[in-house]
Amino acid sequence: ETGVTQTPRHLVMGMTNKKSLKCEQHLGHNAMYWYKQSAKKPLELMFVYSLEERVENNSVPSRFSPECPNSSHLFLHLHTLQPEDSALYLCASSHGLAGGIKSKNIQYFGAGTRLSVL
Amino acid sequence: AQTVTQSQPEMSVQEAETVTLSCTYDTSENNYYLFWYKQPPSRQMILVIRQEAYKQQNATENRFSVNFQKAAKSFSLKISDSQLGDTAMYFCAFNGGGATNKLIFGTGTLLAVQP
Repeated sequence: ETGVTQTPRHLVMGMTNKKSLKCEQHLGHNAMYWYKQSAKKPLELMFVYSLEERVENNSVPSRFSPECPNSSHLFLHLHTLQPEDSALYLCASSHGLAGGIKSKNIQYFGAGTRLSVL
Repeated sequence: AQTVTQSQPEMSVQEAETVTLSCTYDTSENNYYLFWYKQPPSRQMILVIRQEAYKQQNATENRFSVNFQKAAKSFSLKISDSQLGDTAMYFCAFNGGGATNKLIFGTGTLLAVQP
């Protein structure tokens, strides 16, 4: 079992659908992240949560709605997406946001959800 | 703004040989962290190696080592004794240690290890 688990692995949805991506970490971390990975582009940070509080919203459209009910779970709710939103969505976690002996500023990633918007 | 540049979209190496992947970055900060992540076909982003900018000694992890040149803002990854399982996308990433622990990634280098 990997430390960060994402479900589903693949998702196909229409532009009018509502779906959610789930991320769960088993590492005892208290910070979680959503990234978008599009072809030929660098990973883009979307959201950052620390202790269930959102601390970064990187100019992401409102059709993406994150939720962090506790430090182990992170969701990304999707509605009325556009075809250009098709991408690999990666979740990551870390031991806090600041550096330190435990954190070392290292983020641990899940295997992502491959999203296709038709 | 910080940027990370990986100028080699694809590289190929023979099994057991050594290969070096390039990465340059731009920042005005003095203390920061640099990473190499590996993304195999399974899509899991795996940490390969980490370097703290205030440490002059180059980081090493088994067959993986870096050449960190702070003045030149260069952070290359050397893979020795390449193995078939090293085939993957390799991403260089910068972390300025800010309040959100933000990672800035390059566009990646696709490494193919040939038998």
